[in-house]
Amino acid sequence: GDSVTQMEGPVTLSEEAFLTINCTYTATGYPSLFWYVQYPGEGLQLLLKATKADDKGSNKGFEATYRKETTSFHLEKGSVQVSDSAVYFCALRGGYSTLTFGKGTMLLVSP
Amino acid sequence: GAVVSQHPSRVICKSGTSVKIECRSLDFQATTMFWYRQFPKQSLMLMATSNEGSKATYEQGVEKDKFLINHASLTLSTLTVTSAHPEDSSFYICSASGLGSPYNEQFFGPGTRLTVL
Repeated sequence: GDSVTQMEGPVTLSEEAFLTINCTYTATGYPSLFWYVQYPGEGLQLLLKATKADDKGSNKGFEATYRKETTSFHLEKGSVQVSDSAVYFCALRGGYSTLTFGKGTMLLVSP
Repeated sequence: GAVVSQHPSRVICKSGTSVKIECRSLDFQATTMFWYRQFPKQSLMLMATSNEGSKATYEQGVEKDKFLINHASLTLSTLTVTSAHPEDSSFYICSASGLGSPYNEQFFGPGTRLTVL
């Protein structure tokens, strides 16, 4: 079945550091890929998405490129802020239109 | 984006009792609602999918008689944990998608923390 693997956290960075959170997936066909963010005490919010190979999703300075050849969708940001501290979930939606999530990666950014 | 609320945010109950969790879409009509369960440091596991006015479709391994889901209107779905036991303690999250949602985007509620003593 479909599965998503993302790096375990927490990822601890200083403000303005470069961020990468790795995500790889296993799926049949051509899934859509997503990154969700969960701020403390809040629900999940869609951060960005990509629906086909080589698409780049971007939002709020975050980017991720759909790499079919490596089945990856790594999340990157050039300069993180304290306000980016949250849990980030990589997810895919395959043929059955349901979301499959990774375990989540906590990001902690210190001033 | 669209707003989904859950109530209560936290609940503590005694073993053997039933607990109802509400999920509401506040500013859109949710034709489909999803219920997830999240264990500490684990991913969200889909429990069931419900379409308004229809019976819920449960994922394999989820007990239908234990986790009763009702989606009686386009703005409200409820999850009732019947005869709760300590192993039912978890974080329950709902999401909703509605008519016209691009790519069937799901909007998530803030979650409900259930603790069964």
